[in-house]
Amino acid sequence: AQSVSQHNHHVILSEAASLELGCNYSYGGTVNLFWYVQYPGQHLQLLLKYFSGDPLVKGIKGFEAEFIKSKFSFNLRKPSVQWSDTAEYFCAVSTNAGKSTFGDGTTLTVKP
Amino acid sequence: SQTIHQWPATLVQPVGSPLSLECTVEGTSNPNLYWYRQAAGRGLQLLFYSVGIGQISSEVPQNLSASRPQDRQFILSSKKLLLSDSGFYLCAWSPGILRQGSGANVLTFGAGSRLTVL
Repeated sequence: AQSVSQHNHHVILSEAASLELGCNYSYGGTVNLFWYVQYPGQHLQLLLKYFSGDPLVKGIKGFEAEFIKSKFSFNLRKPSVQWSDTAEYFCAVSTNAGKSTFGDGTTLTVKP
Repeated sequence: SQTIHQWPATLVQPVGSPLSLECTVEGTSNPNLYWYRQAAGRGLQLLFYSVGIGQISSEVPQNLSASRPQDRQFILSSKKLLLSDSGFYLCAWSPGILRQGSGANVLTFGAGSRLTVL
């Protein structure tokens, strides 16, 4: 069975700081990789996804993530965070069976 | 466009009472449907998923059950609630064709139901 590990439970940054949230997964086969985000008071929603091809994927609001197969990692990055990026971020892995396994989530607080 | 509805949004129930949370999807056919539980600091735990009417797979043995009486309806139930059933329950759907790279594994979530068992 697959598992997902997110390294940071709570990250606090000032506006304009750079962000990198770590995500590692364990699964020996082909995977689809996702980052979901839950803004305060809103639904959990897709931020970006990787299925195949270019390992550097871009999502909404200036976020990007890089798939490094040899490291089983899919880290989320943003060069300059904004106060509106305050949210909880979840990394997820899905196999062809269709079930997604989520990490424990990282709460990002951006100070204005 | 597709929409997902989940209700009730908030529920307070005594221990030993029954539970029924409902989820419906509009604008798509043959979706895969999921129930997740989200605990603070613990991420999302998959409870049940369904690939079709009457087809339910349970991921974690527990006090809950799920049913899919119609193509786009998914129900989470319990006959007798426990204190440990308290939590935030999320319904989600994904396109029904499981094919690598097709987007089939992208989940769309409902607003969630917060259950407090007293």
